[in-house]
Amino acid sequence: DQQVKQNSPSLSVQEGRISILNCDYTNSMFDYFLWYKKYPAEGPTFLISISSIKDKNEDGRFTVFLNKSAKHLSLHIVPSQPGDSAVYFCALIQGAQKLVFGQGTRLTINP
Amino acid sequence: DAGVIQSPRHEVTEMGQEVTLRCKPISGHNSLFWYRQTMMRGLELLIYFNNNVPIDDSGMPEDRFSAKMPNASFSTLKIQPSEPRDSAVYFCASSPRTDSRQPQHFGDGTRLSIL
Repeated sequence: DQQVKQNSPSLSVQEGRISILNCDYTNSMFDYFLWYKKYPAEGPTFLISISSIKDKNEDGRFTVFLNKSAKHLSLHIVPSQPGDSAVYFCALIQGAQKLVFGQGTRLTINP
Repeated sequence: DAGVIQSPRHEVTEMGQEVTLRCKPISGHNSLFWYRQTMMRGLELLIYFNNNVPIDDSGMPEDRFSAKMPNASFSTLKIQPSEPRDSAVYFCASSPRTDSRQPQHFGDGTRLSIL
């Protein structure tokens, strides 16, 4: 019973175009949402977050959108760069400190 | 600033042996987390500590797993006896405060293989 789903295991995007990564969740009690990025043989690193009281948060090339009614979270990267090639995890917090992670989406940016 | 330091980076051992994974959190961080990553289950939280005290160990798979945090700068995750299904990448993470909104900083993980 997965509470958090990233339905696309992989995504390939041309350099300079927009990358859109998606995350769906089932529990409406989640109230804080994060995206982490992971390179091979390294731990995940925090990228961007959003609170449930907002529907958009922007940080440079990265924007996170939250649609609470649809229980859907997305990460937009524009323009995409080769260094963005990594695995991206959405992570959700309910109440306390427990992060619930999605399965991850492997993003490949093609030159 | 040194990040979260985990050791060893790789561990290969035979089933039945005791395995000890080590973690040094970022200095000044008050919360420490142990995660396991597998192909089947993805990244899952095993246990976390606030101010060296275990808060939630509901993710620990069974009694063969134990975790300790004897002081603010060191934690261990022990598996005894180990089994092949324990093979995974184990991550340690720390965060500055016991505030759930503080991003967690991850170590580079220990890749564990139980033969």
